[in-house]
Amino acid sequence: AQTVTQSQPEMSVQEAETVTLSCTYDTSESDYYLFWYKQPPSRQMILVIRQEAYKQQNATENRFSVNFQKAAKSFSLKISDSQLGDAAMYFCAYRSASNSGYALNFGKGTSLLVTP
Amino acid sequence: ETGVTQTPRHLVMGMTNKKSLKCEQHLGHNAMYWYKQSAKKPLELMFVYSLEERVENNSVPSRFSPECPNSSHLFLHLHTLQPEDSALYLCASSPGLAGGPAQETQYFGPGTRLLVL
Repeated sequence: AQTVTQSQPEMSVQEAETVTLSCTYDTSESDYYLFWYKQPPSRQMILVIRQEAYKQQNATENRFSVNFQKAAKSFSLKISDSQLGDAAMYFCAYRSASNSGYALNFGKGTSLLVTP
Repeated sequence: ETGVTQTPRHLVMGMTNKKSLKCEQHLGHNAMYWYKQSAKKPLELMFVYSLEERVENNSVPSRFSPECPNSSHLFLHLHTLQPEDSALYLCASSPGLAGGPAQETQYFGPGTRLLVL
């Protein structure tokens, strides 16, 4: 089974600053998808950004971008111009593209605190 | 945030009770999922349904019984639960199970926080 590791249980960033959340994963597959989800306190898990492994170009969504390093099996999330509303748990997730399973394999999450 | 809804949002039950969790998706998706989110642990997939047919059951105890009467609704029936079953139960849906990332991306409901006494 693929494992996803988020080595930072907690991170803190000042408003308007940039923060990078780390994620590494272990797989023997060549085709897969990677996701970052955001879960605000007591609120819904929301998709932040998605990356297909066969694409070399890093995905971006407004202030959110990823640094996808396939050889290193690394998938970090960069949040630029951080806002108070970015405070949440952030989960990195892996999904096989080969129909060997339908699960999203999640990391344990990184709690992001945004300070004024 | 109203694409996938779950009721109730909070549930307290005794170990001898029977209760059901409900999930409804308004996105026209064909696949639905149940996940368990426990403190300090990664989300665990419990069940997957595609077009009302169960396609994955990840060694979940029989005290959890899923039901998918149609592609918009998913239930999780609970009976004789244990205190260690206390967790946040998340429902998700996706357009399909295969066909590329757009089809396979999962969208989550707000969850039901379950406490078993």
